[in-house]
Amino acid sequence: EAGVTQFPSHSVIEKGQTVTLRCDPISGHDNLYWYRRVMGKEIKFLLHFVKESKQDESGMPNNRFLAERTGGTYSTLKVQPAELEDSGVYFCASSQDLRTETQYFGPGTRLLVL
Amino acid sequence: SQQGEEDPQALSIQEGENATMNCSYKTSINNLQWYRQNSGRGLVHLILIRSNEREKHSGRLRVTLDTSKKSSSLLITASRAADTASYFCATVTSGGSYIPTFGRGTSLIVHP
Repeated sequence: EAGVTQFPSHSVIEKGQTVTLRCDPISGHDNLYWYRRVMGKEIKFLLHFVKESKQDESGMPNNRFLAERTGGTYSTLKVQPAELEDSGVYFCASSQDLRTETQYFGPGTRLLVL
Repeated sequence: SQQGEEDPQALSIQEGENATMNCSYKTSINNLQWYRQNSGRGLVHLILIRSNEREKHSGRLRVTLDTSKKSSSLLITASRAADTASYFCATVTSGGSYIPTFGRGTSLIVHP
């Protein structure tokens, strides 16, 4: 069974540009989560999808971040326009259902905004 | 406020030694989980301990939970160079969201 995959693995962009991160969850997993880790800090929750619906987006930092999960399969996280403080590692995770408790994480996308 | 706080932030030991990492949290929990992240990889779920459990084992891992002190520890026995990674605790609060709250992690280096 393929794990959670994320693309790209690394992205270096300039302040003001747009970047789109993609996450492909494990097949059959309805729940998809986005997290972010800024250098040296804790891993912070961004949002949670159940199928194509946003269940909880309380962790989204501001309206420069837009997440979608059309069709309930893969998800994208767009940052537009990117700011310096957006640099960090963006993780995606998926789980079969909330009762499963264990989340399966992707390798992350390392974003550097210059 | 931040939930899980790992201690120490960094730990450097020799192969064969034991490594102990601690996690403190603030609110009542449903369960506490430990994850490992190898450099350049995603987080891997290691072990989950529920609020009514005190100790759990998995291979060379031993996790304890003290709800009265709101703390947990992860012990890795007979460490190997391959155990070099960052270790995170994550708490799931009681009666709330199922979303785990992570700490900053402990960076473990095991020297061969």
